[in-house]
Amino acid sequence: KNEVEQSPQNLTAQEGEFITINCSYSVGISALHWLQQHPGGGIVSLFMLSSGKKKHGRLIATINIQEKHSSLHITASHPRDSAVYICAVPNTGNQFYFGTGTSLTVIP
Amino acid sequence: EPEVTQTPSHQVTQMGQEVILRCVPISNHLYFYWYRQILGQKVEFLVSFYNNEISEKSEIFDDQFSVERPDGSNFTLKIRSTKLEDSAMYFCASSDGGAGRGGYNEQFFGPGTRLTVL
Repeated sequence: KNEVEQSPQNLTAQEGEFITINCSYSVGISALHWLQQHPGGGIVSLFMLSSGKKKHGRLIATINIQEKHSSLHITASHPRDSAVYICAVPNTGNQFYFGTGTSLTVIP
Repeated sequence: EPEVTQTPSHQVTQMGQEVILRCVPISNHLYFYWYRQILGQKVEFLVSFYNNEISEKSEIFDDQFSVERPDGSNFTLKIRSTKLEDSAMYFCASSDGGAGRGGYNEQFFGPGTRLTVL
């Protein structure tokens, strides 16, 4: 049973394209975390959000709490955006559930 | 900028041996976590730690595992009698607040320790 589902699993885009990664969850409280995992394995936090929309540079994250769905958008994609993007949600305790990740490759 | 550090970056051990993975969380953080990622699979929660005790643990975190905060800076994960299937990347993370009960605080991840069990 997957508490957090992401789509697509793999995504290849041309440089400059607009990219959308989706996350749906069945558990958790009213917040969600988007992470970026670099090819070397390191994990970086991109966003945490509990409502509406957040923007950081070319990255935009939205969340619909009622529908338990979030999207991560990348505008004007660049090869350096190539990474695995992971969404994670906490439960009511102190445990996090992770999605399987979306592997993004941006081709020059 | 403060960061979470982990040592060693890569640990190779023989099956049946004990290993200790070390983490130094961000100094003013109060919540500490260990995660595991088996190659090609998703990140899995192992354990969270607050106020010198485990606050939550997953089914993976059985008697083979233990965590400790031996001093004011280090946070360790001990794996006893390692098995081949313990080979994975282990990530430590810390935050200044807990995730539950309506609160949500950003977690900062360490670079990970790659454990290889032969």
